[in-house]
Amino acid sequence: DVKVTQSSRYLVKRTGEKVFLECVQDMDHENMFWYRQDPGLGLRLIYFSYDVKMKEKGDIPEGYSVSREKKERFSLILESASTNQTSMYLCASGILTLYNSPLHFGNGTRLTVT
Amino acid sequence: GDSVTQMEGPVTLSEEAFLTINCTYTATGYPSLFWYVQYPGEGLQLLLKATKADDKGSNKGFEATYRKETTSFHLEKGSVQVSDSAVYFCALSAGSSNTGKLIFGQGTTLQVKP
Repeated sequence: DVKVTQSSRYLVKRTGEKVFLECVQDMDHENMFWYRQDPGLGLRLIYFSYDVKMKEKGDIPEGYSVSREKKERFSLILESASTNQTSMYLCASGILTLYNSPLHFGNGTRLTVT
Repeated sequence: GDSVTQMEGPVTLSEEAFLTINCTYTATGYPSLFWYVQYPGEGLQLLLKATKADDKGSNKGFEATYRKETTSFHLEKGSVQVSDSAVYFCALSAGSSNTGKLIFGQGTTLQVKP
């Protein structure tokens, strides 16, 4: 089974802090994604990556950056956390170019910014 | 741009009732369509998918048919159980230019009462 592991289930950070959310997958998938989940808004794509050191902006990249130094690891960075970034963050991985291949999700990190 | 619209929830049903969760989409080209389920405290997992018009995806008693003429992919189950209580997301994956990312609907919460 594919395993996507997010390093933290819950995080509480203060406004202005730099926050790192880590994600690791064990299936050698090329694609990795960060989504944000908010009630009534579903999942919105923040950033994705289809190769090491490659990244593409999703629909809501403002206030976020990402890093992919190794194929299995994809990090989401909040440069200066703000209260409107309080949310559930979901990491996913998938196979490049197979558009009908499903994504595999981690269990999520619930981030609270105070 | 591409988008997915789901019926608003929450949906509350008694055990053994019939379930329909409506999903319609807007997309250029020929997307693949998915239903994902999120159980409490977990990430999303694939429930079923369909990759072309008139395909029927099915899994765990759930079914959905890809209707191109009505741009719909409604989720159905003949007899729900308490264990089906979860949040259900409809999603699409665009065609040839896609890099594997999914566009999600806003999610529909299902609560099944004994």
